[in-house]
Amino acid sequence: QVHLQESGPGLVKPSGTLSLTCSVSGISIANSNWWSWVRQSPGKGLEWIGEIHLTGLTYYNPSLMSRVTISIDGPKSQFSLKVTSMTASDEALYYCARGWPTNPGFLDIWGQGTRVIVSS
Amino acid sequence: DIQMTQSPSSLSASVGDEVTITCRSSQNINGSLNWYQQKPGKAPKALIYGASNLHSGVPLTFTGRASGTLFSLTISGVQPDDSAVYYCQQSYIPPWTFGQGTKVEI
Repeated sequence: QVHLQESGPGLVKPSGTLSLTCSVSGISIANSNWWSWVRQSPGKGLEWIGEIHLTGLTYYNPSLMSRVTISIDGPKSQFSLKVTSMTASDEALYYCARGWPTNPGFLDIWGQGTRVIVSS
Repeated sequence: DIQMTQSPSSLSASVGDEVTITCRSSQNINGSLNWYQQKPGKAPKALIYGASNLHSGVPLTFTGRASGTLFSLTISGVQPDDSAVYYCQQSYIPPWTFGQGTKVEI
């Protein structure tokens, strides 16, 4: 059974950097899937942040592109998210999810999500 | 970005009713429309891909349809367990974008 689990600090200081990791189990991360980050906040609903393939190819939401980096570690079966210059508007529930090889935007498996608060 | 607009924002139905939610894309998305169900405190769950294809394990009570840029999700014979927020999402051109959600109360 495929399982995704987010981990990382739930509290980030304003102007600080958010670092989250998604651990993938039950399936090799080294297949043809895409791996996405999505966030959800009351004000903005569901917002796709970006995605990565094991080849290292990435796509980012232009609204966040200047502050976001997604990376992947095949041997550890993990992929990660970094968001710099965090502000209160970045407070959200952050999810990692799996996208299909031929339909990367179809997110068929999601992690449980991790809440991120921005506060000093 | 492609804008996705859902309606209604919420609805209430009785057990056994048929419920329909609509979603409109701001431009042609070539049928690349997905539906998700989200219950309180849980992650979204994939229901339908490609406008009308049921994801594995999803009951046949869920049906997706498409007509141009207008899409719909119908739930037949709703049960209390179908109470959730439903989101549409386009996966045609990144950034993938979601509708604002429709809250369904049974």
